[in-house]
Amino acid sequence: DTGVSQNPRHKITKRGQNVTFRCDPISEHNRLYWYRQTLGQGPEFLTYFQNEAQLEKSRLLSDRFSAERPKGSFSTLEIQRTEQGDSAMYLCASRDSYNSPLHFGNGTRLTVT
Amino acid sequence: QQQVKQSPQSLIVQKGGISIINCAYENTAFDYFPWYQQFPGKGPALLIAIRPDVSEKKEGRFTISFNKSAKQFSLHIMDSQPGDSATYFCAASGGSGNTGKLIFGQGTTLQVKP
Repeated sequence: DTGVSQNPRHKITKRGQNVTFRCDPISEHNRLYWYRQTLGQGPEFLTYFQNEAQLEKSRLLSDRFSAERPKGSFSTLEIQRTEQGDSAMYLCASRDSYNSPLHFGNGTRLTVT
Repeated sequence: QQQVKQSPQSLIVQKGGISIINCAYENTAFDYFPWYQQFPGKGPALLIAIRPDVSEKKEGRFTISFNKSAKQFSLHIMDSQPGDSATYFCAASGGSGNTGKLIFGQGTTLQVKP
């Protein structure tokens, strides 16, 4: 069990640029979640995958955000035309069944200048 | 309905003391209540979790107390140590058709003084 892996750990980009983050869940976990965390706040749910199917998206996930999980393995989160308000820690988490322990990665910290 | 409210926002405890963090929820469909610990620059790590069919769960120095009628649950850290200094989050999930997504509280920053 190598844990949930997220890359890159840090990303600095200029406003208007596109960015993509990658998450590799724990290998036997078919459920994958993306969260966003701003300074001093709890993580906020963005989207959920069960295998390759994206089953739920938060209203926080504007049309500039898109997430994929091809083949039900790793997942990517892309933000197009980044804005300063997108600056946050983006966390990925995975689990193997409903309400089993949810394991988080160490996140990707995005800074939009 | 989907909120989880956590208090206090920050807490300072002497080494060896008891740290108590409280959470309240509205959605009676919630059926899973975990607590997470987060250190700076790291993702949240699961500490302990409880389901509403029990009123208390203890793992080492960490205890969850759960009051279903009041829709409240709390984390007690016994014999608090400086290494416990971190941010703690309560969370909840559940309900028909729910995907298991966790709704988090706002967090409590704990400082344990030596």
